[in-house]
Amino acid sequence: DGGITQSPKYLFRKEGQNVTLSCEQNLNHDAMYWYRQDPGQGLRLIYYSQIVNDFQKGDIAEGYSVSREKKESFPLTVTSAQKNPTAFYLCASSKGVLDRLTDTGELFFGEGSRLTVL
Amino acid sequence: RKEVEQDPGPFNVPEGATVAFNCTYSNSASQSFFWYRQDCRKEPKLLMSVYSSGNEDGRFTAQLNRASQYISLLIRDSKLSDSATYLCAVHTGGFKTIFGAGTRLFVKA
Repeated sequence: DGGITQSPKYLFRKEGQNVTLSCEQNLNHDAMYWYRQDPGQGLRLIYYSQIVNDFQKGDIAEGYSVSREKKESFPLTVTSAQKNPTAFYLCASSKGVLDRLTDTGELFFGEGSRLTVL
Repeated sequence: RKEVEQDPGPFNVPEGATVAFNCTYSNSASQSFFWYRQDCRKEPKLLMSVYSSGNEDGRFTAQLNRASQYISLLIRDSKLSDSATYLCAVHTGGFKTIFGAGTRLFVKA
């Protein structure tokens, strides 16, 4: 079955440590996204990528970094510079602009990674 | 002003009630519009896309008013299983999707 796999589902880290969240998709989608969700709030865009080896900052990119070396993979690193890293992190994908004719803009989400910094 | 704003919740309704959610967006160049459903501590899942002509899927009806930059979702004959958070989402010309803060719905027996 095609889908998006995020790992780990739960992660605990000490302050000052960098952590990397994995996101892999086998939907053959060009576009991938990282969102952050805090309790009782909507999703805020961290980074997005429309094509391999290219990515753009979203609304809250400070303290985060990403890479897009392969179409299937879009890992997110939460660095020690991120002031409030405890949150629910969601990775998503869509067909993307390279497939304009059939891309509806619908996002497909992974199950999320819940990061707690102690 | 936030790019996408939704009705503040929560909405508490009895089973069988009709409930409406509203959403406004600020970017007039926005291209696609969606309603997602999110259950507690789960990922969002697409509920409906929203078209200018309006669209209906069973008990759910979505409407888009481009002139007023306004999206709505109507749920008729609410079920207990409809209890969730409903997120409005707008796909912008910048090739990114912006979400509203979500409206929590509680349907009680």
